[in-house]
Amino acid sequence: LAKTTQPISMDSYEGQEVNITCSHNNIATNDYITWYQQFPSQGPRFIIQGYKTKVTNEVASLFIPADRKSSTLSLPRVSLSDTAVYYCLATNQAGTALIFGKGTTLSVSS
Amino acid sequence: SQTIHQWPATLVQPVGSPLSLECTVEGTSNPNLYWYRQAAGRGLQLLFYSVGIGQISSEVPQNLSASRPQDRQFILSSKKLLLSDSGFYLCAWSGGLINSPLHFGNGTRLTVT
Repeated sequence: LAKTTQPISMDSYEGQEVNITCSHNNIATNDYITWYQQFPSQGPRFIIQGYKTKVTNEVASLFIPADRKSSTLSLPRVSLSDTAVYYCLATNQAGTALIFGKGTTLSVSS
Repeated sequence: SQTIHQWPATLVQPVGSPLSLECTVEGTSNPNLYWYRQAAGRGLQLLFYSVGIGQISSEVPQNLSASRPQDRQFILSSKKLLLSDSGFYLCAWSGGLINSPLHFGNGTRLTVT
């Protein structure tokens, strides 16, 4: 399980694009990068996952450079409801200890 | 589709009392199961995980224990609760693929008084 580093907090306004970068310098060959979103008093929710290059779904995009030592979660045109904690994990095997870091608290204002 | 059930939603227990939190998963077989705890304003702390019946791995030494008596049932227990056991307890499951994401339950808010 690669250690990940993210900014503790970020602020944004409605309608802006938000990019949250995660560093995982010791990522292993078989590691996948997975992002979760957590609202207060709820369990984290899977957002997006990727291995390399770019992945896009209806919620976000994930950019992973060729060296895979970092990744960027991109949230287009955020709204107040995107205020949450975002976690990045770099893992390579289901069934092992999936340890979350402190995450990034995103605050979106009007 | 797969669902995860966790109960109770809230619990208030006195110091020294026992604890039993239950989590069940439906719609999948042989899931990997996890217990996490989140203290107020803090991150997620992995407590236990299990890759099969009777197989429990502990990440944090403490007065909590976990058991997996059935394939899709995961139980978190304590014989005597401490004040420091207060927190938000989350159960999660994942599939068997190396990139299977975690799916969390709605959590149990435990307050030890």
